[in-house]
Amino acid sequence: NSKVIQTPRYLVKGQGQKAKMRCIPEKGHPVVFWYQQNKNNEFKFLINFQNQEVLQQIDMTEKRFSAECPSNSPCSLEIQSSEAGDSALYLCASSRRVGTGQLYFGEGSKLTVL
Amino acid sequence: GDSVTQTEGPVTLSEGTSLTVNCSYETKQYPTLFWYVQYPGEGPQLLFKVPKANEKGSSRGFEATYNKEATSFHLQKASVQESDSAVYYCALSETSSGQKLVFGQGTILKVYL
Repeated sequence: NSKVIQTPRYLVKGQGQKAKMRCIPEKGHPVVFWYQQNKNNEFKFLINFQNQEVLQQIDMTEKRFSAECPSNSPCSLEIQSSEAGDSALYLCASSRRVGTGQLYFGEGSKLTVL
Repeated sequence: GDSVTQTEGPVTLSEGTSLTVNCSYETKQYPTLFWYVQYPGEGPQLLFKVPKANEKGSSRGFEATYNKEATSFHLQKASVQESDSAVYYCALSETSSGQKLVFGQGTILKVYL
């Protein structure tokens, strides 16, 4: 069973609407990743954090996507204005430290943009 | 940037037969390599980390050996079971700051009785 908790499991949005997903990393894991997985099982890295600080993010993330990992609160990923191409499974993962490659994933939040 | 390329699926096998999923990578630096598995409705989970070059990593009957010269680390299992049906991903940990995991495109495995 996943110890990384993602909510909601499913969300349906119209084009232009905001979509927000949350993630509680595994206890003691300061490193958090967000990935987008499309219907062809392809992964796209979006952003990662160590505690509250961004380590890496892709250009797409800098524009319509925003994410944060505040202390003592769940991490979140928000799409400001959803597009049809954003329909995907959004996976959150956590890790004990940077560079281990041993990520613990949640079950994901499946976004459908109509 | 770093990349991994793996066997395109789906791969369909009868129970008890052997499995090989090929994976090769490109990187300018010394990589850290992994195999992940994703069952339906779940997030990916680590199958095992592939250790140093020419050493074998293994878990749950699966194994992989990292061939540094061939830049490959194929996944193998001698006798698959129906419960092994899942999507398998090879992955590489980048050596840049942040060190995100780069995944292959996944290989769907279907095992029938």
